[in-house]
Amino acid sequence: EAGVVQSPRYKIIEKKQPVAFWCNPISGHNTLYWYRQNLGQGPELLIRYENEEAVDDSQLPKDRFSAERLKGVDSTLKIQPAELGDSAVYLCASSLDRRTADTQYFGPGTRLTVL
Amino acid sequence: DAKTTQPPSMDCAEGRAANLPCNHSTISGNEYVYWYRQIHSQGPQYIIHGLKNNETNEMASLIITEDRKSSTLILPHATLRDTAVYYCIVRVSVQGGKLIFGQGTELSVKP
Repeated sequence: EAGVVQSPRYKIIEKKQPVAFWCNPISGHNTLYWYRQNLGQGPELLIRYENEEAVDDSQLPKDRFSAERLKGVDSTLKIQPAELGDSAVYLCASSLDRRTADTQYFGPGTRLTVL
Repeated sequence: DAKTTQPPSMDCAEGRAANLPCNHSTISGNEYVYWYRQIHSQGPQYIIHGLKNNETNEMASLIITEDRKSSTLILPHATLRDTAVYYCIVRVSVQGGKLIFGQGTELSVKP
């Protein structure tokens, strides 16, 4: 069974440029998460989807960050415009159903560098 | 969710058991203890979780004290590939939702 797929793995952009990250969760997983991990820190949740619905986006900086999960499968996280402080690893995770043990499976992440 | 405390780093000799402690003195009765690990340049990986009883799977064993205020993750025969940051997380499982990661313990397995 394929795991969580993310692309690109690495992205280098200049500040004020837009950037997008893509995530394909494990087949059949209804819940999808985006986390951000700063250097030397643990991951922090940005947004959680239950199918197509964003049910927890309280930590998403909505002035520059946006996310979508069309058809309840793939998801895209966008930053526009990027700032120097956005340099981090962006992790996508999925779980089968929040009503079960809710083990989250993580992708490899996208390492973003903003110059 | 309850807060956890872990040592920042530990060393272990290859082939020996690695015992990683975690304190969670404010854990509530309906909160589970989860362990994840993160190998360098990879996403976090689920290891094991438990509520009250000790648990064992193909990766590790989880020992939870009777008062549930602390737990220990045991890797019975550590290998070099077990070198990673190990995160202990407590949360209410059935509600789903986010994992709150602390600083974790950086385990170095040495030959």
